[in-house]
Amino acid sequence: IAGITQAPTSQILAAGRRMTLRCTQDMRHNAMYWYRQDLGLGLRLIHYSNTAGTTGKGEVPDGYSVSRANTDDFPLTLASAVPSQTSVYFCASSDSMWTSSYNEQFFGPGTRLTVL
Amino acid sequence: GQQVMQIPQYQHVQEGEDFTTYCNSSTTLSNIQWYKQRPGGHPVFLIQLVKSGEVKKQKRLTFQFGEAKKNSSLHITATQTTDVGTYFCAGPLGIQGAQKLVFGQGTRLTINP
Repeated sequence: IAGITQAPTSQILAAGRRMTLRCTQDMRHNAMYWYRQDLGLGLRLIHYSNTAGTTGKGEVPDGYSVSRANTDDFPLTLASAVPSQTSVYFCASSDSMWTSSYNEQFFGPGTRLTVL
Repeated sequence: GQQVMQIPQYQHVQEGEDFTTYCNSSTTLSNIQWYKQRPGGHPVFLIQLVKSGEVKKQKRLTFQFGEAKKNSSLHITATQTTDVGTYFCAGPLGIQGAQKLVFGQGTRLTINP
């Protein structure tokens, strides 16, 4: 593995179904993030984790949950998918979230999710 | 809440023409980052600006951070087809502590060869 991987690459899901998007990084980064990208709205932060064991809410957290059991993995779960969650989802990581650090974010290839 | 606005939303140019995208924040930023996303790809970090009035260059790309640290610009000189993509600016929410990036809506650049 080099960088960040996401799975699946794409998924079509029936409304009401539960879905987990997987994200794994091998850079030993402390911080990880989930964004959704919708046309004209840019990237919006769903949830983040600034270190293993802690998570926080971003700009659009409703309907999503995350966990950070270890440094490398940061899965995103949709408990009961709705059509408005149709989007492209990007996982990202950075060495740190702190002001004093140079915290370039590295993005995974994305998961294209369609909820019908 | 804090907003990062980016204009224009779209820009189409002839190859060889210059291109500029502007980013404005409703609040003072501790730093600003720029990312590029190729069509069908993922955002890739370009640069981070930290100092008031800072100007950085990467070949044909020039990045500026405003004196008040509330605006920034990316200028591409003599565009090439490899410059096609969407350019995002991003500023951290908050001044201190753990920061979350707020992204602008992006400027999508298309180029006529």
